[in-house]
Amino acid sequence: KQEVTQIPAALSVPEGENLVLNCSFTDSAIYNLQWFRQDPGKGLTSLLLIQSSQREQTSGRLNASLDKSSGRSTLYIAASQPGDSATYLCAVTPGNDYKLSFGAGTTVTVRA
Amino acid sequence: NAGVMQNPRHLVRRRGQEARLRCSPMKGHSHVYWYRQLPEEGLKFMVYLQKENIIDESGMPKERFSAEFPKEGPSILRIQQVVRGDSAAYFCASSPETGSGSLAKNIQYFGAGTRLSVL
Repeated sequence: KQEVTQIPAALSVPEGENLVLNCSFTDSAIYNLQWFRQDPGKGLTSLLLIQSSQREQTSGRLNASLDKSSGRSTLYIAASQPGDSATYLCAVTPGNDYKLSFGAGTTVTVRA
Repeated sequence: NAGVMQNPRHLVRRRGQEARLRCSPMKGHSHVYWYRQLPEEGLKFMVYLQKENIIDESGMPKERFSAEFPKEGPSILRIQQVVRGDSAAYFCASSPETGSGSLAKNIQYFGAGTRLSVL
């Protein structure tokens, strides 16, 4: 059974600092890994999707890396802004399945 | 092209009442998935449906919960005789039919969720 863990559970940083969010998963037989953003009381916004054959994906200030063999992914957010305050969820798609396995998330607060 | 639409956004029920959650998939999507997010936990898979068929309900509680995706209209997640432990955010996702033979390739697009509160 796939277990997805996100550390830390919460993070507070001053504006401008870089953010590093960690995600680990127990079964390396994944098809892809996604990072989502969830705002309070709102839905999920997909930020980045990394296929199992890829090592990283970038979008603007966001960069996500994937080390499938060690079961780890890291989301980097450069030069954080108060608008980056949200909960960030990591989810993996199993090898040939549709049931996404989600971590519990990291709640980020960027202080102005 | 509207995204996945869920309604209501917030639903309050008293213990013992019924809750009906609706999900309209993105246009052209024939696969629907329901997930539940309990407080302080990650989303957990509940059920996967295609039009008029339940494909996988392995994550759904055996009692009081049911789901459907009729030929016409939205997918419905129904919870009968709600209890306080049912309070959660319920998310729906949809994906297109890629014809690739690999369900993992069907990227899921999520709705905004329905937050159910049971008093």
